[in-house]
Amino acid sequence: ETGVTQTPRHLVMGMTNKKSLKCEQHLGHNAMYWYKQSAKKPLELMFVYNFKEQTENNSVPSRFSPECPNSSHLFLHLHTLQPEDSALYLCASSLQAATNEKLFFGSGTQLSVL
Amino acid sequence: GENVEQHPSTLSVQEGDSAVIKCTYSDSASNYFPWYKQELGKRPQLIIDIRSNVGEKKDQRIAVTLNKTAKHFSLHITETQPEDSAVYFCAASIGAGTALIFGKGTTLSVSS
Repeated sequence: ETGVTQTPRHLVMGMTNKKSLKCEQHLGHNAMYWYKQSAKKPLELMFVYNFKEQTENNSVPSRFSPECPNSSHLFLHLHTLQPEDSALYLCASSLQAATNEKLFFGSGTQLSVL
Repeated sequence: GENVEQHPSTLSVQEGDSAVIKCTYSDSASNYFPWYKQELGKRPQLIIDIRSNVGEKKDQRIAVTLNKTAKHFSLHITETQPEDSAVYFCAASIGAGTALIFGKGTTLSVSS
């Protein structure tokens, strides 16, 4: 698959588990993002990375820990999550973070926290 | 900070009819307004965007209009088809280095 690829597509975890979400983009973009999509709520920006450097942390709890080893890969490490963290987690990329324009989204990871 | 309100939350139309979705924003400095379409179980995809120096933009059956004075922008879909059924999200940004703020989405259903 070209574009933005996310794994796994589905994840069920207990509140004491530690898991990681992975995102990879093949578009040559320099910026990558994590968004949270909950039912009946707007897409919520969590983190922004531009050229591997985190440029925005939108008041996200520390139980979510992002990692961006290079411009093509982005991880979201999860630990001691709460049931209200259950949501679709979307990764996106764009040419530059400065403009936030023309985001390309992955298919998301549907996370369920039990 | 910026706040984006989107209406209606659901919209049902007959095939061939037009559909209009409206969004209002709060920050008059906002200058970039994209629209994303998300089909069931799929990723959001950009379908059209407009900048504040343009009042209207059209791409085949889709058009977006912007009223800066009233701080609202609208998505117009003409000759709707069943494959237009999806959730549509509007967003606004004040530009360089700032986050896109999304509306809550509109679920459009086109029946044949």
